[in-house]
Amino acid sequence: EDQVTQSPEALRLQEGESSSLNCSYTVSGLRGLFWYRQDPGKGPEFLFTLYSAGEEKEKERLKATLTKKESFLHITAPKPEDSATYLCAVQVSGGYQKVTFGTGTKLQVIP
Amino acid sequence: DVKVTQSSRYLVKRTGEKVFLECVQDMDHENMFWYRQDPGLGLRLIYFSYDVKMKEKGDIPEGYSVSREKKERFSLILESASTNQTSMYLCASSLGFRGSYNEQFFGPGTRLTVL
Repeated sequence: EDQVTQSPEALRLQEGESSSLNCSYTVSGLRGLFWYRQDPGKGPEFLFTLYSAGEEKEKERLKATLTKKESFLHITAPKPEDSATYLCAVQVSGGYQKVTFGTGTKLQVIP
Repeated sequence: DVKVTQSSRYLVKRTGEKVFLECVQDMDHENMFWYRQDPGLGLRLIYFSYDVKMKEKGDIPEGYSVSREKKERFSLILESASTNQTSMYLCASSLGFRGSYNEQFFGPGTRLTVL
């Protein structure tokens, strides 16, 4: 069974304090890994797609990386507006467009 | 920009009522999805559709049905609402064809409460 595990469940950072969120996965064959940001009471907002080990994507203070077993979302010098829940999802080979989501990391950035 | 809209942000229904949740996307996407999101359980797939009139069961289809009569519209139906269906319901769409991989774009969600 495909599994996606995110850690930590919650993370509290001071403004400017860089850190990383982890997404580890166990799937039969990875086709793509997705990162989303979700604000309270809203739908997830797409951030990145990673397709193969070694790939990296960046957007403002966020950088996503991928290995054969896990992905990291690095947050550099975070600001309070980066506070949100970050979700990871994987799509496996051979299926339709179905993805499996992790339960997310809730990030709080304190001024 | 892709836009996915859902018919209601908040909905309160009684046990046993038939409930319709509507989702519309404006980017001619092939695939549409219905999820529910509960604290500690994450997003769980209820149903998805890869074409008009086509549907596939997700991980938790029991108690739900879906309809896709037009490409842009995907409806989720709770035949007889129960209290354990109280949840946040999220609709999503993605561009790709069968076998390809594409990010999903989500609507704002419907917070359903069943009393």
